[in-house]
Amino acid sequence: QVQLQESGPGLVKPSETLSLTCTVSDGSISSYYWSWIRQPPGKGLEWIGYVYYTGRTTYNPSLKSRVTMSVDRSKNQFSLKLSSVTAADTAIYYCARGGNWNDAFDYWGQGTLVTVSS
Amino acid sequence: QSVLTQPPSASGAPGQRVSISCSGSSSDIGSNAVTWYQQVPGTAPKLVIHTNNQRPSGVPDRFSGSKSGTSASLAIGGLQSEDEADYYCAAWDDGLKGWVFGGGTKLTVL
Repeated sequence: QVQLQESGPGLVKPSETLSLTCTVSDGSISSYYWSWIRQPPGKGLEWIGYVYYTGRTTYNPSLKSRVTMSVDRSKNQFSLKLSSVTAADTAIYYCARGGNWNDAFDYWGQGTLVTVSS
Repeated sequence: QSVLTQPPSASGAPGQRVSISCSGSSSDIGSNAVTWYQQVPGTAPKLVIHTNNQRPSGVPDRFSGSKSGTSASLAIGGLQSEDEADYYCAAWDDGLKGWVFGGGTKLTVL
């Protein structure tokens, strides 16, 4: 059973860059799409974007100017960077397998809360 | 405001059947498959339906999905207390070229 685990700082200052990594275990990162999805406290889910194992990316148009995703196949990890954060970016960030147009999100990490505050 | 529209709440007594709707447009549900996720408070979402009506391994057959035109529904039969959770629909949007979610429906088992 594939397992995903998010890691990174839980507190980021306004205007700085949020950086998270998702480690995939008990499965290979190859041949799959990998997504980041966030959920502000008490609110719904928002898809941030995906990275294919080749490094190809697609981002949510509403966040595209601030998002960078990458994959490290040697470490079985993929990463998210979100720049110029504000309080509106405070959310639980989930990594998940899937993201192509016909692909469900079938495995999820437990999520990590990132708070943007000075 | 979410792209896909769901009722904010639904409820039913144990053993009853409930249905949760999800309304979209021609560029999302009308063109692509719908997926449904269950989220128990404090935990990560879990896939319960993919490709409109397919259950992943391990999901009870009490869960079923359907789609017609630009709308979809999740039905849960034989309600159990463990079904109490938030449910989200999702679909790929051809116009946005990305995934859109419903706002979520809180299911209460009375």
